[in-house]
Amino acid sequence: DAKTTQPPSMDCAEGRAANLPCNHSTISGNEYVYWYRQIHSQGPQYIIHGLKNNETNEMASLIITEDRKSSTLILPHATLRDTAVYYCIVSLPESDKIIFGKGTRLHILP
Amino acid sequence: GAVVSQHPSRVICKSGTSVKIECRSLDFQATTMFWYRQFPKQSLMLMATSNEGSKATYEQGVEKDKFLINHASLTLSTLTVTSAHPEDSSFYICSAPERGYGEQFFGPGTRLTVL
Repeated sequence: DAKTTQPPSMDCAEGRAANLPCNHSTISGNEYVYWYRQIHSQGPQYIIHGLKNNETNEMASLIITEDRKSSTLILPHATLRDTAVYYCIVSLPESDKIIFGKGTRLHILP
Repeated sequence: GAVVSQHPSRVICKSGTSVKIECRSLDFQATTMFWYRQFPKQSLMLMATSNEGSKATYEQGVEKDKFLINHASLTLSTLTVTSAHPEDSSFYICSAPERGYGEQFFGPGTRLTVL
């Protein structure tokens, strides 16, 4: 079973920040938090990952709580192309298999 | 980032035939690749782990004799759906981790339709 809990769907207005929450209360000390997204009929796309510290790249920011039991993915300026299913995954790095949960279906509204 | 390709992108076959799907890491070597299946409006389900030079590891409930996996080289894994039936119609996706980058790279997927 997936180790994460996410809301099934969310709406966000175009141009606004999209904040996607994820609970992972059973995360172990050496597991990372990964975020992937899947646009309709495509393979998943890596977004960002982190262990303890907050992370930022050109796509998004990842905020991890101090106790590491939850995190938030932030898309700073959502566009229509960000409409996708977003998956929060807890995993060991690199070679470990990924078990997908149900994810959050994000709708960006014009 | 690294690129993973799949071929074909779409295939339609008759019931009872076998279909081979290829997954290639184009610019990196992958000793391990993963195969997923996704039904409409559902999440990805891990089917098996493909290991270069050794047998694949199948997830519980996945028939290894029906879904044959061969990891012939460090850049190629193949999934063969044998004696396909309409219930095997699905979106098949492969992935591969590139060491040192911390994430996995996914192929674009293969949509299989069995008539």
